[in-house]
Amino acid sequence: DAGVIQSPRHEVTEMGQEVTLRCKPISGHNSLFWYRQTMMRGLELLIYFNNNVPIDDSGMPEDRFSAKMPNASFSTLKIQPSEPRDSAVYFCAIPRLAGTDTQYFGPGTRLTVL
Amino acid sequence: AQSVTQLDSQVPVFEEAPVELRCNYSSSVSVYLFWYVQYPNQGLQLLLKYLSGSTLVESINGFEAEFNKSQTSFHLRKPSVHISDTAEYFCAVSEPPQGAQKLVFGQGTRLTINP
Repeated sequence: DAGVIQSPRHEVTEMGQEVTLRCKPISGHNSLFWYRQTMMRGLELLIYFNNNVPIDDSGMPEDRFSAKMPNASFSTLKIQPSEPRDSAVYFCAIPRLAGTDTQYFGPGTRLTVL
Repeated sequence: AQSVTQLDSQVPVFEEAPVELRCNYSSSVSVYLFWYVQYPNQGLQLLLKYLSGSTLVESINGFEAEFNKSQTSFHLRKPSVHISDTAEYFCAVSEPPQGAQKLVFGQGTRLTINP
């Protein structure tokens, strides 16, 4: 989880509530990835940004999910309204070197929707 | 489209025994290959990677993986495991030159080391 801060680390909410997950690369990156991890489906790419623009959001499960990257140092993933099946660990990741290297993951946010 | 298959969802082994975690991929083009490790309640950490050159790559903690193009495999091995190796291991693939732009992950293999 070098260089990526995620907040909150744990979130428990009730069905129907809005949830906002945050990701902050310590040093600015204009590429950023959001993943979701569940026991049933494993690790899934939800969306990724390049130059702060969403490049591929085909993994976003439905319209209840939205993501923004207003600048190179911050991104949000919002779920509105939340449902119990959204319970998962959500990871944010950044590339170390664009084009030739791999991604560094944040510690994740564990979301529980009751 | 790319895909990654990790053939074993769980692998239990005894401490100091050898282990192999299997990974096969499918892709119509050349690939970059990665192994990530996830310790309990933590994020994923890069363990090792193959980008080009030597097909055998090693990590600092004794793991190695070999890229086999003809068999489309990238199996992870360690000759003698330690209790601290207990974790979930993910194989991943991406297509150059995008590199880190999009990783496709396997389902993961949970490695359990028994004393």
